[in-house]
Amino acid sequence: GENVEQHPSTLSVQEGDSAVIKCTYSDSASNYFPWYKQELGKRPQLIIDIRSNVGEKKDQRIAVTLNKTAKHFSLHITETQPEDSAVYFCAASIRVTGGGNKLTFGTGTQLKVEL
Amino acid sequence: NAGVTQTPKFRILKIGQSMTLQCAQDMNHNYMYWYRQDPGMGLKLIYYSVGAGITDKGEVPNGYNVSRSTTEDFPLRLELAAPSQTSVYFCASSYAGYNEQFFGPGTRLTVL
Repeated sequence: GENVEQHPSTLSVQEGDSAVIKCTYSDSASNYFPWYKQELGKRPQLIIDIRSNVGEKKDQRIAVTLNKTAKHFSLHITETQPEDSAVYFCAASIRVTGGGNKLTFGTGTQLKVEL
Repeated sequence: NAGVTQTPKFRILKIGQSMTLQCAQDMNHNYMYWYRQDPGMGLKLIYYSVGAGITDKGEVPNGYNVSRSTTEDFPLRLELAAPSQTSVYFCASSYAGYNEQFFGPGTRLTVL
């Protein structure tokens, strides 16, 4: 099955700096890659996603890049703010028999933005 | 819209007991999912459904059962609870397979 590795497990940056989180996946059939933000005790919430026919996608301070050949994708957060502090999860999705799809999640990155 | 709702929020079970975690969505989504999240870990897919009457196993289905009799509801049944099932359980739904998955608030389950 699909295996998603995520690095680093913890990341501490100064307010205003950029943060980069990287993920690799194993199944070349994966074609949808969402990123979720989870605050302590809360539910995961989608912050950005990218499909395999796109190399880069940007939404204000957040961007995601995808390299299908190397099977890796990255989350970039610019001008970090204290409210960006949370756990971030990457995921990869493959289509399965019957028309469904399965998301495989990485193990998460605890981002801390320090003042 | 209430979105995805889950009950209960918290539950403590004794080893060997059974329970059903409830999940409902009012967005008319075809796809629904159950995940578990162990402390400090990512989410693992337990079961998913692509429509009423259709369910399939995810990555960690052992010890669980599901049913999908309506579009709105997707209950998760735990039979013979074990300490290894101590976790936070999230239900999610999406309009289609590659669309955003919306998560419920979670159920924190402890098995002692």
